[in-house]
Amino acid sequence: RKEVEQDPGPFNVPEGATVAFNCTYSNSASQSFFWYRQDCRKEPKLLMSVYSSGNEDGRFTAQLNRASQYISLLIRDSKLSDSATYLCVVNGETDSWGKLQFGAGTQVVVTP
Amino acid sequence: DGGITQSPKYLFRKEGQNVTLSCEQNLNHDAMYWYRQDPGQGLRLIYYSQIVNDFQKGDIAEGYSVSREKKESFPLTVTSAQKNPTAFYLCASSPPDGFGYEQYFGPGTRLTVT
Repeated sequence: RKEVEQDPGPFNVPEGATVAFNCTYSNSASQSFFWYRQDCRKEPKLLMSVYSSGNEDGRFTAQLNRASQYISLLIRDSKLSDSATYLCVVNGETDSWGKLQFGAGTQVVVTP
Repeated sequence: DGGITQSPKYLFRKEGQNVTLSCEQNLNHDAMYWYRQDPGQGLRLIYYSQIVNDFQKGDIAEGYSVSREKKESFPLTVTSAQKNPTAFYLCASSPPDGFGYEQYFGPGTRLTVT
């Protein structure tokens, strides 16, 4: 079983609509959670960290469900520029110095 | 501007040759990492280094070597022993006091071995 699993998509979203997707992780001891954004043939860029209480950054909302071991990302009022692959990233070690496990990504395509 | 640089952006090599990928950062980060990314897969950790003159194997270290002689630099050598070296290679670094040790990436090097 993979440590971090994501629906690969693509999620086709009309401009202005809302899209949400989840990511599951296997290590119940994980302490740090992130969403990264990766554009085609580019490096991943940190989108947001995910806090236990959930957090919002503009049109993006991240949630953590420790009981069911998943995190979610919701994008409101989708823009064409939101088209990208979103990587779920989880700290996979209990010592939490920074060894991260990356999901394969969920592709989002925003259409006019 | 602070950041992570990787060079070259594209690299082509013949099978059997060793090749070294450059990674430099001026963020004053202690920890640095090398990953490879293959289509449809998540990033996989090759090597990491928490401090100068120290590094550890990641999940797929076979066929690779690294050095960490300076805080700013963490070059990766892809040796001829690496069976499937064609991939997108990403270098990252992380601050010691950042929340959860989030990592920041360089632009990557696409290596093609034929």
